Amino acid sequence: AQTVTQSQPEMSVQEAETVTLSCTYDTSESDYYLFWYKQPPSRQMILVIRQEAYKQQNATENRFSVNFQKAAKSFSLKISDSQLGDAAMYFCAYRSGITGANNLFFGTGTRLTVIP
Amino acid sequence: EAGVAQSPRYKIIEKRQSVAFWCNPISGHATLYWYQQILGQGPKLLIQFQNNGVVDDSQLPKDRFSAERLKGVDSTLKIQPAKLEDSAVYLCASSPWPRRDTQYFGPGTRLTVL
Repeated sequence: AQTVTQSQPEMSVQEAETVTLSCTYDTSESDYYLFWYKQPPSRQMILVIRQEAYKQQNATENRFSVNFQKAAKSFSLKISDSQLGDAAMYFCAYRSGITGANNLFFGTGTRLTVIP
Repeated sequence: EAGVAQSPRYKIIEKRQSVAFWCNPISGHATLYWYQQILGQGPKLLIQFQNNGVVDDSQLPKDRFSAERLKGVDSTLKIQPAKLEDSAVYLCASSPWPRRDTQYFGPGTRLTVL
């Protein structure tokens, strides 16, 4: 079974600084997708960024970028120029590339605090 | 485009009572998911529907949980009878077909069982 591990229960960053959240996963599959979701106190899960395993280029979305190391099964999220609105729980998630296997496997999350 | 709607937002019940949650996915989304998120953990899939058929319910405690998606649109998740360990946030998500990979989540229902 696929497992996703987030080893940092909590992280903090000064406003305008950069922070990196870690995620590792375990799978025997070669085709899969990886995601970072943000969950603010409102509880709604918001997609931050996604990465297809077959793509070597790291995904970027404005201030958010990932460092995808397929051989090491590592998928970290870098947030640049941190803003107060970035404060939330961040979840790393895995989805198989097998047709029909759509459900997401989530890590336990990292709580990010942004210090003004 | 309206997002995934869920109701109620909060529910408090006593153990052994029954409760039902409702989800309305994004219009046109064929796939619907129910996740359970216990405090301090990531969401865990309970059941996945493709239109009105069940794709995966392997993690659904079928002795007390049931779910249906009539007409392939709205869905309800029921717990009967509830246990203390069912206290959690219940998240509904939907995704379009064939772009199955991006799931859009609703605001969730926080259930407290006393």
